[in-house]
Amino acid sequence: GQNIDQPTEMTATEGAIVQINCTYQTSGFNGLFWYQQHAGEAPTFLSYNVLDGLEEKGRFSSFLSRSKGYSYLLLKELQMKDSASYLCAVGQTGANNLFFGTGTRLTVIP
Amino acid sequence: SAVISQKPSRDICQRGTSLTIQCQVDSQVTMMFWYRQQPGQSLTLIATANQGSEATYESGFVIDKFPISRPNLTFSTLTVSNMSPEDSSIYLCSVEGQPRQETQYFGPGTRLLVL
Repeated sequence: GQNIDQPTEMTATEGAIVQINCTYQTSGFNGLFWYQQHAGEAPTFLSYNVLDGLEEKGRFSSFLSRSKGYSYLLLKELQMKDSASYLCAVGQTGANNLFFGTGTRLTVIP
Repeated sequence: SAVISQKPSRDICQRGTSLTIQCQVDSQVTMMFWYRQQPGQSLTLIATANQGSEATYESGFVIDKFPISRPNLTFSTLTVSNMSPEDSSIYLCSVEGQPRQETQYFGPGTRLLVL
């Protein structure tokens, strides 16, 4: 089975940096995904890590440590529009679907 | 990424009735997935739909309750049968990404309220 943990809620200030952590336990790890979901909308793909290290994409970066079962999503220069839920998901070898954590609701305040 | 549409976008239904949700993709895809997202919760996979074969259901979901069709490589339907208020949820279809098939892209979702 899979077990994915991430904080339920976080608050950060506009312009700041925030790090959202995700720990996971799974058999046959096949990638770690981050999705952004605004209220009432579908999740949108942010990042994919399958090897250890940091992947940078503009203001967003994602890090993976497979040995620790750990990932984080780093958001820089926060904007009000970044207020959303951020979903951590893992892929599993032999399964085509993704397994999602419960999501972290980020609120960006002025 | 593929462009995915769903119909209806939302509906209010009476208990005991059934609703069929459609998912249309603008390109041919092998795998389509149906997820449920209950209020305040994350996404839970209902089933995987492959063209030309029976859908594969996850634990806790059965074909009688959630029949799925996959008539071609661009279309699928999910029916929520004999609905109860506990079925009130957002239902999302997703498809594997191109060229990176590990990634999934989601449709806009169908917001269902059962009274």
